[in-house]
Amino acid sequence: RKEVEQDPGPFNVPEGATVAFNCTYSNSASQSFFWYRQDCRKEPKLLMSVYSSGNEDGRFTAQLNRASQYISLLIRDSKLSDSATYLCVVNMKRGYQKVTFGTGTKLQVIP
Amino acid sequence: SQTIHQWPATLVQPVGSPLSLECTVEGTSNPNLYWYRQAAGRGLQLLFYSVGIGQISSEVPQNLSASRPQDRQFILSSKKLLLSDSGFYLCAWSPGEANYGYTFGSGTRLTVV
Repeated sequence: RKEVEQDPGPFNVPEGATVAFNCTYSNSASQSFFWYRQDCRKEPKLLMSVYSSGNEDGRFTAQLNRASQYISLLIRDSKLSDSATYLCVVNMKRGYQKVTFGTGTKLQVIP
Repeated sequence: SQTIHQWPATLVQPVGSPLSLECTVEGTSNPNLYWYRQAAGRGLQLLFYSVGIGQISSEVPQNLSASRPQDRQFILSSKKLLLSDSGFYLCAWSPGEANYGYTFGSGTRLTVV
């Protein structure tokens, strides 16, 4: 089983739709969780951290389910500019110096 | 504020030639530094990371090497490039433990011909 798994997609959704991605992780002791966004041929950029109680930033909501070992990202009212690949990132243990990246879920928002 | 610089943005090199990619961070001290490679259509592969000057951890066997001659400088090198070294190389930094996420440089797109 991969340490971090994501559905590669693509998810093709119309403008204004709500879309959700899940990401599963294998290590139950994982400490920190993030969502990154990567535009085509660009570097990944931090979208948001994922907190235990869940957190929201505008149209984006991140959730953590420790019991089932997954995190989710919900995007409401999708915009064309949301089209990108979304990377799930997990820090496996406290004090660890590196994180593990998922291979990403591609989102295409259609006019 | 902290910034990370990576250059060059694109590079075309013949097989067997040497490589040197440089990354520098400003506005912080003692950062953790990372080199990643992303092959076309693939995920991010961690190549090296460093928690301090002269301290390099290698994640995968390869013909690449890394050095950290100064606190905020990280260099990726190769003596002889292979075709399989083509890819998108990304430098990143984090403030110590990886609990805070990474910030990436803008990347170098390397094509070995």
